[in-house]
Amino acid sequence: AQSVTQPDIHITVSEGASLELRCNYSYGATPYLFWYVQSPGQGLQLLLKYFSGDTLVQGIKGFEAEFKRSQSSFNLRKPSVHWSDAAEYFCAVASYNNNNDMRFGAGTRLTVKP
Amino acid sequence: KAGVTQTPRYLIKTRGQQVTLSCSPISGHRSVSWYQQTPGQGLQFLFEYFSETQRNKGNFPGRFSGRQFSNSRSEMNVSTLELGDSALYLCASSFGTNEKLFFGSGTQLSVL
Repeated sequence: AQSVTQPDIHITVSEGASLELRCNYSYGATPYLFWYVQSPGQGLQLLLKYFSGDTLVQGIKGFEAEFKRSQSSFNLRKPSVHWSDAAEYFCAVASYNNNNDMRFGAGTRLTVKP
Repeated sequence: KAGVTQTPRYLIKTRGQQVTLSCSPISGHRSVSWYQQTPGQGLQFLFEYFSETQRNKGNFPGRFSGRQFSNSRSEMNVSTLELGDSALYLCASSFGTNEKLFFGSGTQLSVL
């Protein structure tokens, strides 16, 4: 069964600094990988997804993620963080034949210092 | 067009009661998935419905059930509520399989 590990529970960065959120997945076949963001009291918004092809995927709000099969990783990056990026970020993996059944990581809470 | 709508937004119940949550997907979406989010367990997949049929199910007890109507609206029912059922229940819809999921804002259930 697929699973996701987000090693960092909480990360604090200064506004304008770069950001990298880590995600490691476990899945026997080709995974479908996602990053979602959740603001307090809200549902989840898709930032980006990887199905196949180019291993560097671009998402909304200036985020990108790189799929590295050899490391079973799908880390999320942003070159310059804005105060509005403060939220909870979830990495998720889904199976090839049904990505509506997603398994989420525990999430990483991002705090942005002024 | 309107997003995924979940009602009610907040709910307070007592142990032993049962509860029904509702989810109206985006117009035209045929798949509805349900997730439970708690601080301890994170986001966990409950089940998915597509064209009124349950297509996938997570590892939850039989007290958790759902259904989908012909207009794609879905309901989730939890019977014999336990304290541990307190959670944010999120619904997500998509047009079909392997399509982008759109999440609602959730129903916050508190069991006292």
